[in-house]
Amino acid sequence: SQKIEQNSEALNIQEGKTATLTCNYTNYSPAYLQWYRQDPGRGPVFLLLIRENEKEKRKERLKVTFDTTLKQSLFHITASQPADSATYLCARDNFNKFYFGSGTKLNVKP
Amino acid sequence: ETGVTQTPRHLVMGMTNKKSLKCEQHLGHNAMYWYKQSAKKPLELMFVYNFKEQTENNSVPSRFSPECPNSSHLFLHLHTLQPEDSALYLCASSQSGTSGANVLTFGAGSRLTVL
Repeated sequence: SQKIEQNSEALNIQEGKTATLTCNYTNYSPAYLQWYRQDPGRGPVFLLLIRENEKEKRKERLKVTFDTTLKQSLFHITASQPADSATYLCARDNFNKFYFGSGTKLNVKP
Repeated sequence: ETGVTQTPRHLVMGMTNKKSLKCEQHLGHNAMYWYKQSAKKPLELMFVYNFKEQTENNSVPSRFSPECPNSSHLFLHLHTLQPEDSALYLCASSQSGTSGANVLTFGAGSRLTVL
């Protein structure tokens, strides 16, 4: 079956460091992947989308990469801040039906 | 008001009750979704509506009954629920059918507790 997985349940880093989160997919080739941020008790918020023919996408301190050979997307937050602490979700779109990974909870310590 | 609005934000119900969750989007989108989010599990896609027509029912038990009277409103009718149905229920919308990738806009969710 087609799967999208985020293997790290949690990531703890020090403020100012770069956080790197991983999303892997199996048994299919997505045209693009999406990343969302979710704060406790709230709905996810869209952050970035990267297409399969794009190696890298940036938005302010955020950077997403897409490696079709490794079947993997990496999500980076540079110069991380405590306010970046949240759960980050990757998602794929299959004919307008969106499927999510289980998320990685990022904790940025001051 | 803009975005996606869900009511109520919190709901406690007994197993024999009948209640409904409501979702309204003010974005002019033509697709609406219900997701279930339980602790430590991925978001589970429950139902998808495109142009008011249901296009996905992801093997959801019949005790959950969706209704989409128009492209802006979505309901989830609940009856005879089980304690394991306690979760955060998220509504989302998107603009389907356009060229390029679509993204979801979520509401804040309805936290449901079944006693």
